[in-house]
This record gives sequence, structure tokens and C-alpha cells, in this order.
Amino acid sequence: AQSVTQPDIHITVSEGASLELRCNYSYGATPYLFWYVQSPGQGLQLLLKYFSGDTLVQGIKGFEAEFKRSQSSFNLRKPSVHWSDAAEYFCAVGGAAGTASKLTFGTGTRLQVTL
Amino acid sequence: KAGVTQTPRYLIKTRGQQVTLSCSPISGHRSVSWYQQTPGQGLQFLFEYFSETQRNKGNFPGRFSGRQFSNSRSEMNVSTLELGDSALYLCASSLALTGNSGNTIYFGEGSWLTVV
Repeated sequence: AQSVTQPDIHITVSEGASLELRCNYSYGATPYLFWYVQSPGQGLQLLLKYFSGDTLVQGIKGFEAEFKRSQSSFNLRKPSVHWSDAAEYFCAVGGAAGTASKLTFGTGTRLQVTL
Repeated sequence: KAGVTQTPRYLIKTRGQQVTLSCSPISGHRSVSWYQQTPGQGLQFLFEYFSETQRNKGNFPGRFSGRQFSNSRSEMNVSTLELGDSALYLCASSLALTGNSGNTIYFGEGSWLTVV
């Protein structure tokens, strides 16, 4: 069964500091990996995805993530955090073509940004 | 291009009632899936519809059901509401590509259901 672990429930960083959110996955086949962001009271916005190819993927809002198969990880990074990045971040696995578009999510990491 | 649209955004229902939520996928997307988000259980997959057929189902009781219409629009229904059904219900859509590729899955803003 597929699963996702986000070890950090809550992270606080200062505006302008770098950010790394951790994600570890378990998936029996080629993993399709996603990062979503959710602001309070809102739906999920796709930040980036990894399907294949270059293991460093770029997303929106200056975010990037690196797929490391050997570590079963897909960590999200941003070099300089802005106050507007405060939100909850979810890592997800799934969405393989030809099968059900089912995602399994981690429990999320809440990011707080201090000024 | 419009995103995934969900209606209503907010609703309050009484225990024992039923509720129907609606979702319009992104134009051209054939797969619609539904998720429940609660503080205790997080994001959980309910079911997915593709070409008007339920393709996959999560671990929810039969009170939760859905359907998809020929224009790919989808509805989900919860009957005999319980307090624990209070949640954000998210709809997602994708192209449902075949072959050796992943499907990019886009979410709507959700429908907030409160059961009192």
C-alpha cells in the first residue's frame, strides 16, 4: 500500500530564510509525486509534480523539489521564504496514468513565517 | 481556462439529513475524484469517477455515494448525516491520461459541510 510521511507537523522560519519541508513516500511502482499548498479556508493548489526525468523539479512561487529514489524522499525547498508562504503544505503520491487518479496524502506541514 | 468549481461552498445540515455536493471539472478533464478533509483524519480519498463509472473507492461507508454525468460533472451525496461528517469536501479533476505517464490532479476550493 502506498503511504506518505511528513515528519514535521509545524515549522517556523523567518522571512527571507531558506525552507525545506520533508516528505518520504512508500509506493510499489514508479512514484508520481506532488506537493500542494493550502491556505486557511481554501482548497489545494498544486505547487509542483514529479513524474519522470530530471529529479529536480521547479514549481510555482519559487518552490522546487528533489526526488531521491534511494531515500524515498521528495523534499520541498525554497531559498527565501516570504510571509505569504505561510500555509499548510501537503506531499502526495499516486495519480498513475491508466489507473485510478487516487492520491495518498501526508498529514501536512504547517509553515509559520515570522517577520 | 476555468478551474475546478464546487458548489455550494458552505452549508449547514442537521443530523439525519442528506446532502448533495456538486463539482464541475476543468474543461476536457474526464476523471473526477472526491476527498474528505478533517482535522483528525486528514485528507482521505472517497471515490473517483471516469466516463460515468466509479473507478475506485476509498474506505467510507455506503452513505457516501457519487455519480458522474456525461459532461463529466460530478455530484457526491451523503445520506443520514452524522456529526462526524463535518468536513471540507474537495473535488479534483484530471485528464486521466493513459500510458506511462502521471496524471496532474487539480483541486477545487472545496465545500465546507457542517453537521449540527
